[in-house]
Amino acid sequence: EVQLVQSGAEVKKPGESLRISCQGSGYNFASYWIGWVRQMPGKGLEFMGRIDPSDPYPNYSPSFQGHVTISADKSISTAYLQWNSLKASDTAIYYCARLIEWELADFWGQGTLITVSS
Amino acid sequence: EIVLTQSPGTLSLSPGERATVSCRASQSLTSNYLAWYQQKSGQAPRLLIYGASRRATGIPDRFSGSGSGTDFTLTISRLEPEDFAVYYCQLYGNSRTFGQGTKLEIK
Repeated sequence: EVQLVQSGAEVKKPGESLRISCQGSGYNFASYWIGWVRQMPGKGLEFMGRIDPSDPYPNYSPSFQGHVTISADKSISTAYLQWNSLKASDTAIYYCARLIEWELADFWGQGTLITVSS
Repeated sequence: EIVLTQSPGTLSLSPGERATVSCRASQSLTSNYLAWYQQKSGQAPRLLIYGASRRATGIPDRFSGSGSGTDFTLTISRLEPEDFAVYYCQLYGNSRTFGQGTKLEIK
């Protein structure tokens, strides 16, 4: 059974750093890109970027380039989303998803709620 | 950048009725890289339709997708109670665009 399990909810202060994770199982993790999607409170879905676990160069949507870092460690079947300096506007649920073709996602993680507040 | 516009924003229907959700692209799509997702409250999205009209694995046949060019449609033939959710269209193929969502609510 394909599963993507994300790390738990976080409460952080503005300016703090954070890395959340997404561990895949039930399939060959290295064979599928992983994408990250943001959902701000009460809002729609936004595609942030994607990474091939076998290739160290992620691909970012313009709106997120320079604000987050996407990485992956195929040896432990885990992808990461990282912030160096959080802002209140980063408060959202972040989903990872397995991509089967370009940005087409067939399996999703359960989501990680990030709350940034002073 | 291609923009996807869904309509209506909210659709109020009763179980057993037929639901139709529209997704219009700002430019004609050269390929049918159009997907539909369902998101229930508090849950992750679920892939329903890809390639404009292909049902994903395990999706009931009451869900269907159609369209080409700039106009695409998700149809739910007979609504079940579990179908009331938010639906998103997505353009893929090195694009990063989702529609803004359509909330399907019980009338």
